[in-house]
Amino acid sequence: DVKVTQSSRYLVKRTGEKVFLECVQDMDHENMFWYRQDPGLGLRLIYFSYDVKMKEKGDIPEGYSVSREKKERFSLILESASTNQTSMYLCASRPDRNQPQHFGDGTRLSIL
Amino acid sequence: KNQVEQSPQSLIILEGKNCTLQCNYTVSPFSNLRWYKQDTGRGPVSLTIMTFSENTKSNGRYTATLDADTKQSSLHITASQLSDSASYICVVSAMTGGSYIPTFGRGTSLIVHP
Repeated sequence: DVKVTQSSRYLVKRTGEKVFLECVQDMDHENMFWYRQDPGLGLRLIYFSYDVKMKEKGDIPEGYSVSREKKERFSLILESASTNQTSMYLCASRPDRNQPQHFGDGTRLSIL
Repeated sequence: KNQVEQSPQSLIILEGKNCTLQCNYTVSPFSNLRWYKQDTGRGPVSLTIMTFSENTKSNGRYTATLDADTKQSSLHITASQLSDSASYICVVSAMTGGSYIPTFGRGTSLIVHP
């Protein structure tokens, strides 16, 4: 079974901090994604990566960056956290573009 | 702009009853449509995928339909169970510049009461 693991279920940080959210998948998937999910808005794509060291902006990349140094790990970085980045963050991976995405269970991030 | 609209926003039914969730989309060029189930506190899990040429697909008690002409899809749940209580998300992918970019609906929250 595919396992997508997000490093923290809950995280509390302060405004202005640099925040790292980590995601690891164990199935050698090529593609990885970061989303945020807010009530009433659904999932919105922040960044995605089709291969190691590659990254593409999604719909809402402002205030975020990503890193994919190894195939199994995709990190989301909040350069200077702000309160409007309080949200649920979901990571996903898939083998290729024809397959479904497999999601982690999310990190609920609160910025105070 | 690509959009996916789902209705109803929320639905409450009694255990054992059937229900149908709707998804309308304006995504171009259409590649595929998936329905996901998201339990509270968990990530979404894929239920079905449909491509342009398919108009019905089943997965146990879940049956998805697709009308590519009217750009509508539905998810029918038969003989609902308490474990069906979840958010159901419609996701439509477009092929843009060689990449498959998904657009997510906001989901329908289903509550099944005993």
